Amino acid sequence: AQSVTQPDIHITVSEGASLELRCNYSYGATPYLFWYVQSPGQGLQLLLKYFSGDTLVQGIKGFEAEFKRSQSSFNLRKPSVHWSDAAEYFCAVGDGGGAQKLVFGQGTRLTINP
Amino acid sequence: NAGVTQTPKFRVLKTGQSMTLLCAQDMNHEYMYWYRQDPGMGLRLIHYSVGEGTTAKGEVPDGYNVSRLKKQNFLLGLESAAPSQTSVYFCASGRRDQETQYFGPGTRLLVL
Repeated sequence: AQSVTQPDIHITVSEGASLELRCNYSYGATPYLFWYVQSPGQGLQLLLKYFSGDTLVQGIKGFEAEFKRSQSSFNLRKPSVHWSDAAEYFCAVGDGGGAQKLVFGQGTRLTINP
Repeated sequence: NAGVTQTPKFRVLKTGQSMTLLCAQDMNHEYMYWYRQDPGMGLRLIHYSVGEGTTAKGEVPDGYNVSRLKKQNFLLGLESAAPSQTSVYFCASGRRDQETQYFGPGTRLLVL
């Protein structure tokens, strides 16, 4: 069965600094990978997704992620964070089945220092 | 276009009480899902539906029932609430030909 691990429960960065959130997955075939963001008290919003092709994918709000098959990773990056990026970030993998079910990681909470 | 909406936003129940959470989507999506979110555990799939009149169990289905009588609605029922069901519940929907799921704002449930 597929699984997703986000090793960092909580990360704090200064505004303007670069950001990398880690995600490792376990899946037998080529995975469908997603990053979602959840602002406090809100639902989840899709940041970006990878299905195939170029391993560097661009998303909304200036985020990007790189798929590395050899490392089973799909890390999320942003060159310069803004205070509004403070949120919880979830990595997810699609099970590839007909119902398109998702398996989520535990989430990483991002705090921004002014 | 409201997207995915959930009713209610917040509810307090006593142990043993029952309730139904309503999810509605206006995007004509075939697939709908119910998740629960607990601290440190991410989102876990409770039940899902691939079409009107069909439902299936997800990862954590015990203590919950669902129904999808209309394509746009997906109901999650708790017949006899337990404190372990205190959680935030999210509904999501998606198109058959896309992998992306669209999430509602969540329902916070407290069972005393």
